[in-house]
Amino acid sequence: DGGITQSPKYLFRKEGQNVTLSCEQNLNHDAMYWYRQDPGQGLRLIYYSQIVNDFQKGDIAEGYSVSREKKESFPLTVTSAQKNPTAFYLCASSVRVLETQYFGPGTRLLVL
Amino acid sequence: KNEVEQSPQNLTAQEGEFITINCSYSVGISALHWLQQHPGGGIVSLFMLSSGKKKHGRLIATINIQEKHSSLHITASHPRDSAVYICAAQVTGNQFYFGTGTSLTVIP
Repeated sequence: DGGITQSPKYLFRKEGQNVTLSCEQNLNHDAMYWYRQDPGQGLRLIYYSQIVNDFQKGDIAEGYSVSREKKESFPLTVTSAQKNPTAFYLCASSVRVLETQYFGPGTRLLVL
Repeated sequence: KNEVEQSPQNLTAQEGEFITINCSYSVGISALHWLQQHPGGGIVSLFMLSSGKKKHGRLIATINIQEKHSSLHITASHPRDSAVYICAAQVTGNQFYFGTGTSLTVIP
Protein backbone atom coordinates (compact mmCIF):
# COMPACT_ATOMS: atom_id res chain seq x y z
CA ASP A 1 0.00 0.00 0.00
CA GLY A 2 1.21 3.48 -0.80
CA GLY A 3 1.28 6.03 1.95
CA ILE A 4 3.14 8.04 4.52
CA THR A 5 4.35 6.56 7.75
CA GLN A 6 5.52 8.36 10.82
CA SER A 7 7.16 6.87 13.83
CA PRO A 8 6.92 6.68 16.69
CA LYS A 9 3.30 7.50 17.49
CA TYR A 10 4.27 8.87 20.90
CA LEU A 11 7.68 10.14 21.92
CA PHE A 12 8.95 11.33 25.24
CA ARG A 13 11.89 13.65 25.54
CA LYS A 14 13.89 14.70 28.55
CA GLU A 15 14.96 18.31 28.72
CA GLY A 16 18.25 18.88 26.94
CA GLN A 17 17.82 15.88 24.68
CA ASN A 18 17.65 15.82 20.89
CA VAL A 19 15.04 13.52 19.37
CA THR A 20 14.40 12.52 15.77
CA LEU A 21 10.97 11.93 14.26
CA SER A 22 10.77 9.66 11.28
CA CYS A 23 8.74 10.28 8.12
CA GLU A 24 8.77 7.89 5.18
CA GLN A 25 6.67 7.90 2.00
CA ASN A 26 6.45 5.43 -0.84
CA LEU A 27 4.28 7.64 -3.04
CA ASN A 28 7.24 8.80 -5.14
CA HIS A 29 6.47 12.37 -4.15
CA ASP A 30 9.11 15.03 -4.66
CA ALA A 31 7.92 17.44 -1.97
CA MET A 32 7.77 16.73 1.76
CA TYR A 33 6.74 18.89 4.71
CA TRP A 34 6.83 19.00 8.49
CA TYR A 35 4.10 20.79 10.45
CA ARG A 36 3.48 21.35 14.09
CA GLN A 37 0.00 21.56 15.58
CA ASP A 38 -0.59 22.90 19.07
CA PRO A 39 -3.93 22.49 20.86
CA GLY A 40 -6.56 24.79 19.41
CA GLN A 41 -4.22 26.14 16.76
CA GLY A 42 -3.73 25.64 13.06
CA LEU A 43 -0.86 23.98 11.33
CA ARG A 44 2.47 25.74 11.33
CA LEU A 45 5.14 24.87 8.82
CA ILE A 46 8.52 23.92 10.25
CA TYR A 47 10.50 22.87 7.18
CA TYR A 48 9.74 21.71 3.67
CA SER A 49 11.70 20.06 0.92
CA GLN A 50 10.94 20.40 -2.77
CA ILE A 51 13.42 17.78 -3.89
CA VAL A 52 16.14 15.49 -2.60
CA ASN A 53 19.09 17.28 -0.98
CA ASP A 54 17.13 20.51 -0.71
CA PHE A 55 15.08 21.95 2.13
CA GLN A 56 13.77 25.32 3.19
CA LYS A 57 12.81 26.81 6.53
CA GLY A 58 9.18 27.37 7.30
CA ASP A 59 7.62 29.73 9.79
CA ILE A 60 8.97 28.13 12.95
CA ALA A 61 12.25 26.44 12.01
CA GLU A 62 14.21 27.57 15.08
CA GLY A 63 15.17 24.62 17.26
CA TYR A 64 14.55 22.08 14.50
CA SER A 65 16.69 20.48 11.82
CA VAL A 66 15.95 18.22 8.85
CA SER A 67 17.70 16.25 6.16
CA ARG A 68 16.58 14.94 2.77
CA GLU A 69 19.19 12.45 1.66
CA LYS A 70 16.62 10.14 0.10
CA LYS A 71 13.44 10.94 -1.79
CA GLU A 72 11.30 8.79 0.46
CA SER A 73 12.63 10.01 3.81
CA PHE A 74 12.46 13.39 5.59
CA PRO A 75 13.42 13.02 9.26
CA LEU A 76 12.91 15.89 11.68
CA THR A 77 15.21 16.44 14.65
CA VAL A 78 13.86 18.41 17.57
CA THR A 79 16.92 19.86 19.24
CA SER A 80 17.42 20.99 22.81
CA ALA A 81 17.24 24.55 21.49
CA GLN A 82 13.50 24.12 20.92
CA LYS A 83 12.13 25.47 24.19
CA ASN A 84 8.55 24.34 23.81
CA PRO A 85 8.61 21.10 21.85
CA THR A 86 5.46 19.48 23.25
CA ALA A 87 3.11 19.29 20.26
CA PHE A 88 1.64 17.08 17.60
CA TYR A 89 3.95 16.76 14.59
CA LEU A 90 2.58 16.01 11.14
CA CYS A 91 4.57 15.04 8.09
CA ALA A 92 3.11 15.47 4.61
CA SER A 93 4.11 14.94 1.03
CA SER A 94 2.91 16.02 -2.39
CA VAL A 95 3.82 15.16 -5.96
CA ARG A 96 5.23 18.63 -6.30
CA VAL A 97 5.05 21.82 -4.29
CA LEU A 98 1.68 23.57 -4.67
CA GLU A 99 -0.17 20.29 -5.12
CA THR A 100 -2.39 18.41 -2.74
CA GLN A 101 -0.60 17.24 0.37
CA TYR A 102 -1.09 13.86 1.96
CA PHE A 103 -0.48 13.54 5.67
CA GLY A 104 1.04 10.87 7.85
CA PRO A 105 -0.59 9.75 11.12
CA GLY A 106 1.45 12.15 13.25
CA THR A 107 3.79 11.89 16.23
CA ARG A 108 2.87 13.30 19.60
CA LEU A 109 5.97 14.58 21.42
CA LEU A 110 5.91 15.11 25.16
CA VAL A 111 8.65 16.64 27.25
CA LEU A 112 9.26 15.16 30.67
CA LYS B 1 -16.92 14.06 -5.83
CA ASN B 2 -14.29 15.73 -3.69
CA GLU B 3 -14.93 16.02 0.02
CA VAL B 4 -13.85 19.68 -0.15
CA GLU B 5 -14.80 21.98 -3.01
CA GLN B 6 -13.34 25.43 -3.44
CA SER B 7 -14.35 28.25 -5.73
CA PRO B 8 -13.23 30.01 -7.74
CA GLN B 9 -10.18 28.11 -8.98
CA ASN B 10 -8.53 31.26 -10.25
CA LEU B 11 -9.15 34.83 -9.28
CA THR B 12 -7.66 38.08 -10.55
CA ALA B 13 -8.42 41.29 -8.71
CA GLN B 14 -7.38 44.91 -8.80
CA GLU B 15 -5.52 46.24 -5.82
CA GLY B 16 -7.98 47.44 -3.19
CA GLU B 17 -10.81 45.10 -4.13
CA PHE B 18 -12.70 42.99 -1.61
CA ILE B 19 -12.10 39.29 -2.28
CA THR B 20 -14.11 36.24 -1.28
CA ILE B 21 -13.04 32.62 -1.63
CA ASN B 22 -15.58 29.91 -0.88
CA CYS B 23 -15.20 26.40 0.53
CA SER B 24 -17.85 23.70 0.84
CA TYR B 25 -17.24 20.35 2.47
CA SER B 26 -19.23 17.15 2.75
CA VAL B 27 -17.58 15.47 5.74
CA GLY B 28 -17.96 15.91 9.46
CA ILE B 29 -15.11 18.04 10.68
CA SER B 30 -13.29 18.78 13.88
CA ALA B 31 -11.85 21.95 12.32
CA LEU B 32 -11.60 23.85 9.05
CA HIS B 33 -8.27 25.35 8.05
CA TRP B 34 -7.43 28.12 5.63
CA LEU B 35 -3.87 27.95 4.36
CA GLN B 36 -1.85 30.29 2.17
CA GLN B 37 0.77 28.85 -0.12
CA HIS B 38 3.31 31.13 -1.77
CA PRO B 39 5.07 30.45 -5.09
CA GLY B 40 8.12 29.16 -3.22
CA GLY B 41 5.95 26.39 -1.79
CA GLY B 42 5.88 27.36 1.87
CA ILE B 43 2.52 27.15 3.57
CA VAL B 44 1.20 29.51 6.18
CA SER B 45 -1.76 28.57 8.29
CA LEU B 46 -4.12 31.54 8.24
CA PHE B 47 -7.02 30.31 10.31
CA MET B 48 -8.35 27.29 12.11
CA LEU B 49 -12.11 27.45 12.64
CA SER B 50 -14.62 25.24 14.32
CA SER B 51 -17.40 27.83 14.53
CA GLY B 52 -18.23 31.47 13.90
CA LYS B 53 -15.81 34.00 12.57
CA LYS B 54 -12.17 34.95 12.99
CA LYS B 55 -10.34 38.08 11.89
CA HIS B 56 -6.64 38.74 11.49
CA GLY B 57 -5.66 42.04 9.95
CA ARG B 58 -7.30 42.30 6.54
CA LEU B 59 -8.31 38.63 6.54
CA ILE B 60 -11.64 37.34 7.77
CA ALA B 61 -12.76 33.71 7.86
CA THR B 62 -16.28 32.53 8.55
CA ILE B 63 -17.83 29.11 8.89
CA ASN B 64 -21.41 27.87 8.87
CA ILE B 65 -21.40 24.41 10.39
CA GLN B 66 -25.01 23.62 9.45
CA GLU B 67 -24.43 24.51 5.81
CA LYS B 68 -20.91 23.01 5.76
CA HIS B 69 -19.54 26.13 4.18
CA SER B 70 -16.68 28.49 4.92
CA SER B 71 -15.51 31.70 3.31
CA LEU B 72 -12.23 33.58 3.35
CA HIS B 73 -12.45 37.31 2.78
CA ILE B 74 -9.61 39.71 2.04
CA THR B 75 -10.35 43.39 2.45
CA ALA B 76 -8.36 46.08 0.61
CA SER B 77 -6.41 43.47 -1.36
CA HIS B 78 -2.76 44.06 -2.13
CA PRO B 79 -0.33 42.48 -4.64
CA ARG B 80 1.45 40.76 -1.76
CA ASP B 81 -1.78 38.80 -1.14
CA SER B 82 -1.13 36.95 -4.42
CA ALA B 83 -0.84 33.29 -3.52
CA VAL B 84 -2.75 30.03 -3.57
CA TYR B 85 -5.37 29.81 -0.82
CA ILE B 86 -6.27 26.33 0.33
CA CYS B 87 -9.22 25.17 2.38
CA ALA B 88 -8.63 22.00 4.40
CA ALA B 89 -11.14 20.01 6.41
CA GLN B 90 -9.65 18.28 9.44
CA VAL B 91 -11.67 15.15 10.10
CA THR B 92 -9.56 13.55 12.81
CA GLY B 93 -6.20 14.40 14.32
CA ASN B 94 -4.26 13.50 11.21
CA GLN B 95 -6.83 13.21 8.47
CA PHE B 96 -7.21 16.23 6.26
CA TYR B 97 -9.17 16.73 3.08
CA PHE B 98 -7.84 19.52 0.95
CA GLY B 99 -9.57 21.73 -1.53
CA THR B 100 -7.84 22.18 -4.85
CA GLY B 101 -6.86 25.72 -3.98
CA THR B 102 -7.70 29.15 -5.32
CA SER B 103 -4.94 30.94 -7.16
CA LEU B 104 -5.25 34.65 -6.43
CA THR B 105 -3.46 37.36 -8.39
CA VAL B 106 -3.81 40.95 -7.25
CA ILE B 107 -2.81 43.49 -9.87
CA PRO B 108 -1.42 46.87 -8.82
